[in-house]
Amino acid sequence: DADVTQTPRNRITKTGKRIMLECSQTKGHDRMYWYRQDPGLGLRLIYYSFDVKDINKGEISDGYSVSRQAQAKFSLSLESAIPNQTALYFCATSDFGAGATGELFFGEGSRLTVL
Amino acid sequence: LAKTTQPISMDSYEGQEVNITCSHNNIATNDYITWYQQFPSQGPRFIIQGYKTKVTNEVASLFIPADRKSSTLSLPRVSLSDTAVYYCLVGDPQTGANNLFFGTGTRLTVIP
Repeated sequence: DADVTQTPRNRITKTGKRIMLECSQTKGHDRMYWYRQDPGLGLRLIYYSFDVKDINKGEISDGYSVSRQAQAKFSLSLESAIPNQTALYFCATSDFGAGATGELFFGEGSRLTVL
Repeated sequence: LAKTTQPISMDSYEGQEVNITCSHNNIATNDYITWYQQFPSQGPRFIIQGYKTKVTNEVASLFIPADRKSSTLSLPRVSLSDTAVYYCLVGDPQTGANNLFFGTGTRLTVIP
């Protein structure tokens, strides 16, 4: 089983619908992230969380919200989806602490299409 | 946050050594340099991390000059399976700033 699991893996929806992408991890990491990747482009950070009570906006948070339900779960919501939110979404976790590299561990991605 | 600049793309023949350079002129004292590799439709994968001088692992080497304003990822004897996008990130792992900005990366194409 994957250490970082994203659901759904693929989703097609219509403009104006509410969508939730879920992420769960078994790595025991406190830090979790949501990134977005558009075709041919790099990853851009949407939101990140360094523990259950911590939520931070990333580079492109407008139109998105997140919930950190537990150490292992971090959900991304699109309250009213629009076509330019069509993208590949990645969840990731990282370690931290003395001697840690902060290496990111990614899920397999959730491909979202908004019609 | 220390932003990075990398070439958009590079081509190389199989068996050659590939060097990808990343510029990070405003790197801070506590920042580390981390490289990731990404294949299509997959999440990036950690390759190597360093602070200064040279770091080597089973996959790559990372060269960092004394001023730390740039770094070079070296891939020895590349194969077709090394065709991917490579990202250079800079930041402090303790604060988490090392994971906040990926940039567009360098698309490496290995030619038979």
